Amino acid sequence: DVKVTQSSRYLVKRTGEKVFLECVQDMDHENMFWYRQDPGLGLRLIYFSYDVKMKEKGDIPEGYSVSREKKERFSLILESASTNQTSMYLCASSFGAQGGANVLTFGAGSRLTVL
Amino acid sequence: QKEVEQDPGPLSVPEGAIVSLNCTYSNSAFQYFMWYRQYSRKGPELLMYTYSSGNKEDGRFTAQVDKSSKYISLFIRDSQPSDSATYLCAMRASGTYKYIFGTGTRLKVLA
Repeated sequence: DVKVTQSSRYLVKRTGEKVFLECVQDMDHENMFWYRQDPGLGLRLIYFSYDVKMKEKGDIPEGYSVSREKKERFSLILESASTNQTSMYLCASSFGAQGGANVLTFGAGSRLTVL
Repeated sequence: QKEVEQDPGPLSVPEGAIVSLNCTYSNSAFQYFMWYRQYSRKGPELLMYTYSSGNKEDGRFTAQVDKSSKYISLFIRDSQPSDSATYLCAMRASGTYKYIFGTGTRLKVLA
């Protein structure tokens, strides 16, 4: 079974703090993704990475950055957390070939509250 | 208009009922269609995926894709209280990494 592990399930941070969300997958997947999930808005793509050190912006990258130094690890960084970044953050991974189904496998999620 | 539309529910059904969950979409380039189930405070888990048009069955679950109508469905037979969750549709065009998700339908199966 592919496993995607998000290190923090619940975090509470203060406005202006730097926040790191870590994600590790154990199936040698090329692609890794960060989504945020909000009621009524569904899942929105923040960033994705198709290879080590490669990244592409998703639909809502503002206020976020990412890092992928190793194939299995993809980090989401909030440089200066704001209250509108309170959300559920979901990491996902998939195989790389764009022509296949390459279904996403998700982690359990990290619920971030910014006060 | 959103690329993918999904009724948010909640949809309440009695145990044993047949459940029909649906999504409509506007992008004719979508070729890969998925259904995910998400329990409260958990990450989504893949239930079914289908390539292009047609039906796919797995146990109590059947996924249907009608590309001519830009409409996909998930049927759950003999629904159980453990099926109570939010169901998300997702779809993707070939040649892209980008998945587009519906907002999810909350399903409650009453014992």
